[in-house]
Amino acid sequence: AQSVAQPEDQVNVAEGNPLTVKCTYSVSGNPYLFWYVQYPNRGLQFLLKYITGDNLVKGSYGFEAEFNKSQTSFHLKKPSALVSDSALYFCAVRSSNTGKLIFGQGTTLQVKP
Amino acid sequence: DTGVSQDPRHKITKRGQNVTFRCDPISEHNRLYWYRQTLGQGPEFLTYFQNEAQLEKSRLLSDRFSAERPKGSFSTLEIQRTEQGDSAMYLCASSLEARKQFFGPGTRLTVL
Repeated sequence: AQSVAQPEDQVNVAEGNPLTVKCTYSVSGNPYLFWYVQYPNRGLQFLLKYITGDNLVKGSYGFEAEFNKSQTSFHLKKPSALVSDSALYFCAVRSSNTGKLIFGQGTTLQVKP
Repeated sequence: DTGVSQDPRHKITKRGQNVTFRCDPISEHNRLYWYRQTLGQGPEFLTYFQNEAQLEKSRLLSDRFSAERPKGSFSTLEIQRTEQGDSAMYLCASSLEARKQFFGPGTRLTVL
């Protein structure tokens, strides 16, 4: 069965510092991995995806993610955090057959001024 | 606005009542997904359509839940005899084939 895990319920960083939100995955075959962000009372917004190719994926709002096959990880990163980045972040893996997304439990990012 | 829309945004109902939610996907998208998100959890897959055909249903989708997409455009999700455990955010997403999914704002259901 496919799954993703986000080991941290919450990540706190100071504005201007780099941030990392962790995600590990378990899939058979090639993984299709995604990051989404959710602001309060809003739907999910797509940040970036890894299908194949370069291990460093660049996405929206200055975010990037590093795919590491040996560690089965897909951590989300940003060099300099903004207070407006504070939100709930979800890692997800896509089923190759149906396209449905299997989400992690989410990580709340708090960026303090 | 050409994104995914959902109606209503909020629904409060009493236990035992029936409720119906609507999702309008992005017009050229042939796939439509329903997810449920409870507080503190990630969204969980409920069901999906390719055009008008419902191709997969999660075990989470009990007999009280039914979804339709009659003309391959909008979809409805009905919950019969609602229970307090049905309180959640119901999210709809659409995509072109198995490409990136675009999510609607969700319908928040509260069952009293």
